Amino acid sequence: AQTVTQSQPEMSVQEAETVTLSCTYDTSENNYYLFWYKQPPSRQMILVIRQEAYKQQNATENRFSVNFQKAAKSFSLKISDSQLGDTAMYFCAFMRGNDYKLSFGAGTTVTVRA
Amino acid sequence: DAGVIQSPRHEVTEMGQEVTLRCKPISGHNSLFWYRQTMMRGLELLIYFNNNVPIDDSGMPEDRFSAKMPNASFSTLKIQPSEPRDSAVYFCASSEISYEQYFGPGTRLTVT
Repeated sequence: AQTVTQSQPEMSVQEAETVTLSCTYDTSENNYYLFWYKQPPSRQMILVIRQEAYKQQNATENRFSVNFQKAAKSFSLKISDSQLGDTAMYFCAFMRGNDYKLSFGAGTTVTVRA
Repeated sequence: DAGVIQSPRHEVTEMGQEVTLRCKPISGHNSLFWYRQTMMRGLELLIYFNNNVPIDDSGMPEDRFSAKMPNASFSTLKIQPSEPRDSAVYFCASSEISYEQYFGPGTRLTVT
């Protein structure tokens, strides 16, 4: 079974500042996907960003970017220019290639302060 | 384009009652997933359908839980009889490609 670890239960950041969330995972697979999902107070699970393990280039979506370190099995999320609407719980998730099961971490609650 | 639709958004019921949660996946998606989210166990996959056929129900906790997908646009998750420990948020998700799962808004179930 794949294990996804998010070691930061809570983080707080000032509006317009940058915050980085950490995620590590354990797998013997070589082909897999990594994800960050956002869950705001509305409860909706929203896909923020996806990284394919075979791609060396780090994925970026507007203010969200990842630092994918395959050898270290690390997949951190950086939120730049934080906005109040970024306040949410963020989940790191893993999926083996050619599979359908998402394994989620425990989540990190991010609070953006005005 | 509408996203995944779930109903009801909130459900409060008494122990022993039957509960039915409903999901309408995104049109054109051939895969549907039911997840459960609790504080203790986080997000867990309960069951996975592909082309309306249950492929993996290993996450269904016990026989009290059942899920159906009678057609490509509708699925139900039923709990009978319900117990307080079933209280959780239940998500439905759908996908056209396995690694792009789109989640519905969830149903918060409270069993008293």
